[in-house]
Amino acid sequence: ILNVEQSPQSLHVQEGDSTNFTCSFPSSNFYALHWYRWETAKSPEALFVMTLNGDEKKKGRISATLNTKEGYSYLYIKGSQPEDSATYLCALPSGSARQLTFGSGTQLTVLP
Amino acid sequence: AAGVIQSPRHLIKEKRETATLKCYPIPRHDTVYWYQQGPGQDPQFLISFYEKMQSDKGSIPDRFSAQQFSDYHSELNMSSLELGDSALYFCAGRTGKFGRNTEAFFGQGTRLTVV
Repeated sequence: ILNVEQSPQSLHVQEGDSTNFTCSFPSSNFYALHWYRWETAKSPEALFVMTLNGDEKKKGRISATLNTKEGYSYLYIKGSQPEDSATYLCALPSGSARQLTFGSGTQLTVLP
Repeated sequence: AAGVIQSPRHLIKEKRETATLKCYPIPRHDTVYWYQQGPGQDPQFLISFYEKMQSDKGSIPDRFSAQQFSDYHSELNMSSLELGDSALYFCAGRTGKFGRNTEAFFGQGTRLTVV
């Protein structure tokens, strides 16, 4: 079973602030890392799928980086907006690629 | 575009009853995952299927069983329900044919309350 850790567990920021949080994972046997956004009363939606060390992905004000050698990924949100409030989950597929192991998530609240 | 459909959305059962949760993945998605999220807890992986065969098993109690059918929909059968089974049950689908890079698409979840 993969050990996927996310920090912080929760975060409150003011509208307009930039923020970032971390997903940590074992660096051995790395295959891919997924980031999902989970808004209240909705189902999780994929943000990024990252596979290569040094990968950087961007979608609007949200970006992510990946360091497979040291086993972490950062998710950045620039100029946070209230609509960014959600739980952000990272997940890694197992060696069989059939199972996704999720971290506990970072719950972001953006205050207007 | 069609999404992942879960039914029912809400279910209330009494202790020791049985429940069946259904998941209909996006067409051509051959891999289904089931997750359980209790109140204030992390999502816990229960079980997954690929091409109608069980592929991985997580923390699924022996009282639960699941299967994937020829049309790729999946059902989670829960018997002898306990209060601790009250949770949000998510299913997710993806295509396993392209390996590890494909994202998962989640249903809206079934909220099961056992009273």
